[in-house]
Amino acid sequence: DGGITQSPKYLFRKEGQNVTLSCEQNLNHDAMYWYRQDPGQGLRLIYYSQIVNDFQKGDIAEGYSVSREKKESFPLTVTSAQKNPTAFYLCASSIEGLTGNTIYFGEGSWLTVV
Amino acid sequence: QKEVEQNSGPLSVPEGAIASLNCTYSDRVSQSFFWYRQYSGKSPELIMSIYSNGDKEDGRFTAQLNKASQYVSLLIRDSQPSDSATYLCAVNLILTGGGNKLTFGTGTQLKVEL
Repeated sequence: DGGITQSPKYLFRKEGQNVTLSCEQNLNHDAMYWYRQDPGQGLRLIYYSQIVNDFQKGDIAEGYSVSREKKESFPLTVTSAQKNPTAFYLCASSIEGLTGNTIYFGEGSWLTVV
Repeated sequence: QKEVEQNSGPLSVPEGAIASLNCTYSDRVSQSFFWYRQYSGKSPELIMSIYSNGDKEDGRFTAQLNKASQYVSLLIRDSQPSDSATYLCAVNLILTGGGNKLTFGTGTQLKVEL
């Protein structure tokens, strides 16, 4: 089945550790995104990539890094510089249309700092 | 002023009633509009997209867009308990020079009561 796969679903991070969240899509979408959602808040854009080997910072990129070496994959690393990383992380992808992008989401990854 | 505003709710409606969810946006040149449904602990699921002024119907859902008033709404007819969720409004802006920016509201929590 076509879709967006995120792993792991649940992840625990110790203080000072870097962790990487995986995101793979087989929808042949060009653009991929990472959003963060905190309880009771909306989605905030961390990074996005419109094409392989290129990506741009979103609204809250500090403490995060990404790569886009393949069209299908857009992993997110949460570095130790991110001071409050506990959140629900959503990967998304889209195909560009005449009126803009319709974005579809993966199932999400829960990250907790212990 | 927030770019996309929604009343956080909760909005409570009896089963079988019409639920009306509202969203306003600040950028006059926004071009496409989306409604997502998000169950607690799950990722957002696309319900409707709308690009032109007027109404767009899909089953029990109707999206309404008024660009002059910068207002988009979602009506849910014959509300069911399974419709209880948070509904996210998203507004897409095609940027000069290419690219898109999709901005989300914080969501309205809907409760459909038996």
